[in-house]
Amino acid sequence: QKEVEQDPGPLSVPEGAIVSLNCTYSNSAFQYFMWYRQYSRKGPELLMYTYSSGNKEDGRFTAQVDKSSKYISLFIRDSQPSDSATYLCAINTGKLIFGQGTTLQVKP
Amino acid sequence: ETGVTQSPTHLIKTRGQQVTLRCSSQSGHNTVSWYQQALGQGPQFIFQYYREEENGRGNFPPRFSGLQFPNYSSELNVNALELDDSALYLCASSLVGTSGGAWYFGPGTRLLVL
Repeated sequence: QKEVEQDPGPLSVPEGAIVSLNCTYSNSAFQYFMWYRQYSRKGPELLMYTYSSGNKEDGRFTAQVDKSSKYISLFIRDSQPSDSATYLCAINTGKLIFGQGTTLQVKP
Repeated sequence: ETGVTQSPTHLIKTRGQQVTLRCSSQSGHNTVSWYQQALGQGPQFIFQYYREEENGRGNFPPRFSGLQFPNYSSELNVNALELDDSALYLCASSLVGTSGGAWYFGPGTRLLVL
């Protein structure tokens, strides 16, 4: 069983849609969760960083952690074509354990 | 504040050769990690350096080695290159390097092994 699982997509939505990106993880001891955005042929860019359970909001982005289900989510409101990228979830244990990444396309 | 930088951006090598990739950490960061990202996959942890000492290693063979310098810049060396080493190599730096620290990535070096 992989430590972090993420549906690779691709996911295609119309501009303005609400996007939900999800990951599951295996170890209930994990406490630090991160979301990265990676444009084609670029390095990952840190979007959100959460600790333990609950929600964290930053502009159009909301990160959610459900430790009881070992489930993390990233919501993007009012999605824009510029949001088209690969989104990577990661667990921070001192090193980062990444999911496979979900490719998102937002169509104008 | 200067972000994480990497050089070169692209590199083509042949099987059996050796390669050195370079990274400059974000200003003030004392911990650096290297990751390998194959096409369509998430990055995989290679190793981590803190204060010039390796303090964590992923499931990579010894032909992957590294250095961290007093100015916190870093190198990744790969000997006896194999075709499967073709990937995007990412450097990331952090101020703390523990599970509570945020990690910031460079743009990566794309290596092609022929």
